[in-house]
Amino acid sequence: ILNVEQSPQSLHVQEGDSTNFTCSFPSSNFYALHWYRWETAKSPEALFVMTLNGDEKKKGRISATLNTKEGYSYLYIKGSQPEDSATYLCASYPSNTGKLIFGQGTTLQVKP
Amino acid sequence: KAGVTQTPRYLIKTRGQQVTLSCSPISGHRSVSWYQQTPGQGLQFLFEYFSETQRNKGNFPGRFSGRQFSNSRSEMNVSTLELGDSALYLCASSFTSGGYPRTQYFGPGTRLLVL
Repeated sequence: ILNVEQSPQSLHVQEGDSTNFTCSFPSSNFYALHWYRWETAKSPEALFVMTLNGDEKKKGRISATLNTKEGYSYLYIKGSQPEDSATYLCASYPSNTGKLIFGQGTTLQVKP
Repeated sequence: KAGVTQTPRYLIKTRGQQVTLSCSPISGHRSVSWYQQTPGQGLQFLFEYFSETQRNKGNFPGRFSGRQFSNSRSEMNVSTLELGDSALYLCASSFTSGGYPRTQYFGPGTRLLVL
């Protein structure tokens, strides 16, 4: 994988459903993986910065895991709420580029 | 602390003109990065400045340039505007030490429309 890829592109769930998204990134030269939440008409807001293989981070109902050997990260939202509706971005920071490379994002819509 | 601010928030220009966008980082942050977001493209990295020096550059033509001042404020300039430059331009600041970009704090963006 040369780029950062996120799936699915969009997701519609009912309030209370749990959901997860995938971020795939180049595993070579891995240095860090960022997750951001971008709500409409607001600025992207950092959720997690992950660096270690096997890392698990949690913030309220949102958690993330990291597998640097195979180059993927999962973001989980437990019991989705309408306020979770946003685009979730992941970004890889390879050590050989010095640049954050963003995926296209997963847009989540939570229906009440 | 005040967040990242960007001015102007909206801008309409015509092809061939040039534009300058401004970004004020969070106090104490010395790294400022610029990104372009167009529909279907996601956030594309333009460049990063740290202590008044460009540290990294993305794959954009030379019409896109930037600079950083001693107070860490940054400006981005686009010369000879093209229709394809219409986009949301975001800047982000971070307190970066060494080569590792820590959490990026984003501004609200400047939406540029080129007619």
